[in-house]
Amino acid sequence: KNEVEQSPQNLTAQEGEFITINCSYSVGISALHWLQQHPGGGIVSLFMLSSGKKKHGRLIATINIQEKHSSLHITASHPRDSAVYICAVSRWGAQKLVFGQGTRLTINP
Amino acid sequence: NTGVTQTPKFRILKIGQSMTLQCTQDMNHNYMYWYRQDPGMGLKLIYYSVGAGITDKGEVPNGYNVSRSTTEDFPLRLELAAPSQTSVYFCASSLVENEQFFGPGTRLTVL
Repeated sequence: KNEVEQSPQNLTAQEGEFITINCSYSVGISALHWLQQHPGGGIVSLFMLSSGKKKHGRLIATINIQEKHSSLHITASHPRDSAVYICAVSRWGAQKLVFGQGTRLTINP
Repeated sequence: NTGVTQTPKFRILKIGQSMTLQCTQDMNHNYMYWYRQDPGMGLKLIYYSVGAGITDKGEVPNGYNVSRSTTEDFPLRLELAAPSQTSVYFCASSLVENEQFFGPGTRLTVL
């Protein structure tokens, strides 16, 4: 079993829909990261969080440490949000990240 | 700052050839990383460095070598290329306990 599991693996939605991507992990962590990989391949860090909730524009990330679960939400989704979203965790005492397999999101106009 | 730069962007190698993937960052980050991403798979850590002169293995180090002689540069060396090393390689850097900044990637094909 992977230490970091994402669901769903693929998600297709219509423009304007509210999107939720989930991430579960099985190890103790110091932080959880959400990354976005564009269709061209570039990877950008969206959030790093260790508790609670963070918001940036239409993106919201939450984490529940007790349940070892995080969600990434996109409000008013747009075709330009189409990308692969990657969850990763950093363990206590280690700067190395452990990655989930990613969620491929497609937003249709 | 230009961030993390990688060269080359694309490369085709024959089995048994060698090459070095270059990675440079200008953000004065102490941590640097090399990842590979196989089609449909998650990123896997090859090697990482916590500062100049210090490197350590990640999950999949076999077939690769690294060095870190300066804070800015972290080259990845493939000595005897094999088809299993066909992948997209990403370099990243960070300050301690902070978000990682990724380079644009190098797409490598070994035939």
